[in-house]
Amino acid sequence: GAVVSQHPSWVICKSGTSVKIECRSLDFQATTMFWYRQFPKQSLMLMATSNEGSKATYEQGVEKDKFLINHASLTLSTLTVTSAHPEDSSFYICSARDPRLQQFFGPGTRLTVL
Amino acid sequence: AQSVAQPEDQVNVAEGNPLTVKCTYSVSGNPYLFWYVQYPNRGLQFLLKYITGDNLVKGSYGFEAEFNKSQTSFHLKKPSALVSDSALYFCAVRDDNQGGKLIFGQGTELSVKP
Repeated sequence: GAVVSQHPSWVICKSGTSVKIECRSLDFQATTMFWYRQFPKQSLMLMATSNEGSKATYEQGVEKDKFLINHASLTLSTLTVTSAHPEDSSFYICSARDPRLQQFFGPGTRLTVL
Repeated sequence: AQSVAQPEDQVNVAEGNPLTVKCTYSVSGNPYLFWYVQYPNRGLQFLLKYITGDNLVKGSYGFEAEFNKSQTSFHLKKPSALVSDSALYFCAVRDDNQGGKLIFGQGTELSVKP
């Protein structure tokens, strides 16, 4: 199947700093990418949908100024957590959708904010 | 709105016994249903999907799922469980009224004991 990578796989940062997470589709072009957040042993919560070349669509309750999403190319989307705080600590998972509408998930990024 | 529900937070099975992880759905129109598995600190791996056709869908790692329209269910099954099947399982429905995003169930933790 298609491969989606995320970088970094884990990150620890100080409160108040910003963290950028990259999501890449390695062997296909993804016009749409999704960003999810997951708390331990809980379901995935969709944060936003990003389409290449346009602004992301955020789910209700997700602060767009807090979680900046950029989808500059058909193979790369980035999520930047700005001014991170301990409550932002979570597992962030991206997903990329191919032209056949199949959705492939990245391995996730564990963010810990001290 | 489309939704799926997984009524069991946890399922415990002895190795070699059959396993069932339950999922019920609520959709308007034709349901596009999926099962994913997640191992600790990893992203989601696709197991199988139902779009149309045969009600019994076969997927990866010996898993299968039965689409039952009258009971609005899409239970995941495997004839003989392995210890390595222990993981978190998610049922999902694709909501084509909302850009094709996946709506996930709460997740079911499967524990297979030797």
